[in-house]
Amino acid sequence: QVQLQQWGAGPLKPSETLSLTCAIHGGSLGDGGSSAYYWSWIRQPPGKGLEWIGEIDYSGRTRYKSSLISRVTMSIDMSQKQFSLRLNSVTAADTAFYYCARYECGTGRCYFDSWGQGTLVTVSS
Amino acid sequence: QSLLTQPPSVSGAPGQRVTISCTGSSSNIGASYDVHWYQQFPGTAPKLLIYGDNNRPSGVPDRFSGSKSGTSASLAITGLQAEDEADYYCQSFDNSLSGYVIFGGGTQLTVL
Repeated sequence: QVQLQQWGAGPLKPSETLSLTCAIHGGSLGDGGSSAYYWSWIRQPPGKGLEWIGEIDYSGRTRYKSSLISRVTMSIDMSQKQFSLRLNSVTAADTAFYYCARYECGTGRCYFDSWGQGTLVTVSS
Repeated sequence: QSLLTQPPSVSGAPGQRVTISCTGSSSNIGASYDVHWYQQFPGTAPKLLIYGDNNRPSGVPDRFSGSKSGTSASLAITGLQAEDEADYYCQSFDNSLSGYVIFGGGTQLTVL
């Protein structure tokens, strides 16, 4: 059973860069086997719904939400079994709980089967 | 605006059956993409509840079930219990330029 543990710096001021890291415990990065894994970031403004930010696979291939693509960078460190999120030029609208999650794709279906504990990132001047 | 529309809230008495709808369009649910459901308690991360329209992960009670038809999906909870009070989110895939992985806006379930 994979477990995800995340951490990151906060709070932030407008225009600063959000940086979060998620460690993968007890599972593969998806570089083989019957399932493919996409290591994802999802955020949730306080009291609101979930928003997918993007994903990265073991090879470093990324997909980002189109509205965030100009500000988002994701990376992965296979040796450390960690993946990271950077979001630059933050504003108050980026204030949210940020979750890392594993998007498992097997037998034609993909879903988020493991989640990190969440990190509240507050952006305020 | 979410590409998947859920009612903001539903409620039911213990023992009753409630359903939560998730309405999409031809670029997501209507394109036969899977719908998944997540349960979230206050202050915690979401948890996978239903995957692939109507499959339960190990450990999820059979009181929870999912269905899909056309451009909509539903989550049904039978024998409602106080511990089911939580937020529920549907999730799918969208093939338009507006999104990729998409979530519904969430539904707050209140057990009366």
